[in-house]
Order: sequence, then C-alpha cells, then structure tokens
Amino acid sequence: SQTIHQWPATLVQPVGSPLSLECTVEGTSNPNLYWYRQAAGRGLQLLFYSVGIGQISSEVPQNLSASRPQDRQFILSSKKLLLSDSGFYLCAWSRDVGTSGGPPYNEQFFGPGTRLTVL
Amino acid sequence: RKEVEQDPGPFNVPEGATVAFNCTYSNSASQSFFWYRQDCRKEPKLLMSVYSSGNEDGRFTAQLNRASQYISLLIRDSKLSDSATYLCVVNRGGSNYKLTFGKGTLLTVNP
Repeated sequence: SQTIHQWPATLVQPVGSPLSLECTVEGTSNPNLYWYRQAAGRGLQLLFYSVGIGQISSEVPQNLSASRPQDRQFILSSKKLLLSDSGFYLCAWSRDVGTSGGPPYNEQFFGPGTRLTVL
Repeated sequence: RKEVEQDPGPFNVPEGATVAFNCTYSNSASQSFFWYRQDCRKEPKLLMSVYSSGNEDGRFTAQLNRASQYISLLIRDSKLSDSATYLCVVNRGGSNYKLTFGKGTLLTVNP
C-alpha cells in the first residue's frame, strides 16, 4: 500500500529565514505530487504540482519554490519567509495516468502536513 | 460565482440524524468530483469519489447533477465520529491534476 510522509510536523521560523519542507511517497512509482497550503479559515490552495522528476508547475506567484530531485520526493522551499507564509502545508500524491492498478488516477491522497508559523 | 461553493454551516445534529451537505461548482467542463473529510488540525482524507449521477458507500450517499452543477452528500444515522469538516472538491475543467477545494462545512454530531 502507498504511504506519504512529511516533515517536519511543526515549524516556527522568523521572518526572512529560509524554509525547506520535505515530502516522500512510498509504495508507488512515478506519482503525481502536489503542494497545497491551507491558511487559517481558508480553503486549500494548490501551490505546485509535478508529473515527473524535475517537472514543476507553479500555480500561484509567490516567494516559494518546489523541486523534485527524485521520483518520490518533493521539496518546498523559500529563501526568505514572509509573515503571510504561515499556514498548514500539505503534500499529496495521485497515481500516474499511465500506471496500472491502484486508485483512480485523479484521486489525491494527503500527507499529515506541516504546520508553519512565521513570526 | 465561486469555483466551488458549499453550505457555510456549521451543522449541529444529534446522533442518528440524517444530514445533507450541498455544493455547487461553476466550471461546466469539470469531470471529477469528490468529498473529503478533514478533522481538526489534520489532513483531508478522501471520503468518496462521485461517479456518474451518484453513488453510495454504507451510510454515505453522494449525488451529482451535472445540468445544475450541483453535488450533495447525505449522511444517514450520524455517529459522533462523523464530526469533521466536509470538503467538496472538483477538478478544474480540462485538467487531470488541478483540484479546487471548497471551504468546507463543519459538522458536529452531538450525543
């Protein structure tokens, strides 16, 4: 079965500091990977998605970036955090359209999230 | 019209009650529809994918009306453990990857 991990679980960072959040998926190959942010009282906002190693699509202009150095690893980064970057960051995966077996390809499954507070 | 709009709630119901959540979406090209539940300070978890005109899974029934661009979730015989925020989710028309999440409806089931 597939599992998705995120770390750290919580993070408190000062304004202007860098950020690196990591997400890994086990039990599947060539997953589609996603980064979302959920700010307090707001819905989930898609930040980035990736359909393969080195392939990143950005949804919202911001001071965040994403990278996918390995098939099942997705990293969210920032060089300088802003107060507005505070939120609940969620990584998700979905099955590649071309793979057989597993859930329907467009169902997304979330990791446990990282709660980021920027002070 | 918002991409995905849900009943704002909150809903407070007694155990055993039947409760229904409504959701409308704006993009007629959307093809994939889901209900997720999210417990407080936890990640969203897939509850149901909505197929064709609707489907049932135990106490949960989802309905889809493409003509009206409307989705519903019915929970029968509510349990305390059903207390959560329910998220209506729709893919952005033409994309297999991009999902739009509603803001969610909070349900509290009381003993």
